[in-house]
Amino acid sequence: DAGVIQSPRHEVTEMGQEVTLRCKPISGHDYLFWYRQTMMRGLELLIYFNNNVPIDDSGMPEDRFSAKMPNASFSTLKIQPSEPRDSAVYFCASVQGLAGELFFGEGSRLTVL
Amino acid sequence: AQTVTQSQPEMSVQEAETVTLSCTYDTSESDYYLFWYKQPPSRQMILVIRQEAYKQQNATENRFSVNFQKAAKSFSLKISDSQLGDAAMYFCAYRAPWDMLTFGGGTRLMVKP
Repeated sequence: DAGVIQSPRHEVTEMGQEVTLRCKPISGHDYLFWYRQTMMRGLELLIYFNNNVPIDDSGMPEDRFSAKMPNASFSTLKIQPSEPRDSAVYFCASVQGLAGELFFGEGSRLTVL
Repeated sequence: AQTVTQSQPEMSVQEAETVTLSCTYDTSESDYYLFWYKQPPSRQMILVIRQEAYKQQNATENRFSVNFQKAAKSFSLKISDSQLGDAAMYFCAYRAPWDMLTFGGGTRLMVKP
């Protein structure tokens, strides 16, 4: 398996623009997580899905953030409109069952100017 | 809520020497999992080692071993024979069987040649 695949690896955009980050989990994994990593806050869980259904989005910072998982092999994290404070590395991770090993993607580095 | 604390923001070690990274956590659960993840400059989060709380024996993976003290809620990582490739951010993480990963703030390890 190719692992968790995220795109884009790097995104530079201007304040106010819409940003869409994409994730393809490992086939067969039933949980998918979105994390945000910043120097100030470390790794924060934003939202997670189980069998494509959002379970806990309490970590989503604002209404500007939304996430979807239309099928078992694809998820998006959207920020609209983006702000400079959204600059961070966003990780997607997946796991089969909560007791399994969590596999991370390589992250998407977002810079909002 | 569970918390994970890494009290050493930075550590350094001489190549071939041994270094220990500290981690403490707070929980009222008796059954849980503990992890150490490595994040090199490439950003990829890599699982280094995992410990189940019900196992008394400390986990070991090649040059990496843990000192798990359940009563003290301590979970330190020992890296023996340090190599230049060990330089990275190391994150301690906790998870109850039914819950999500909670990460510590990370420790940056520098390896001196």
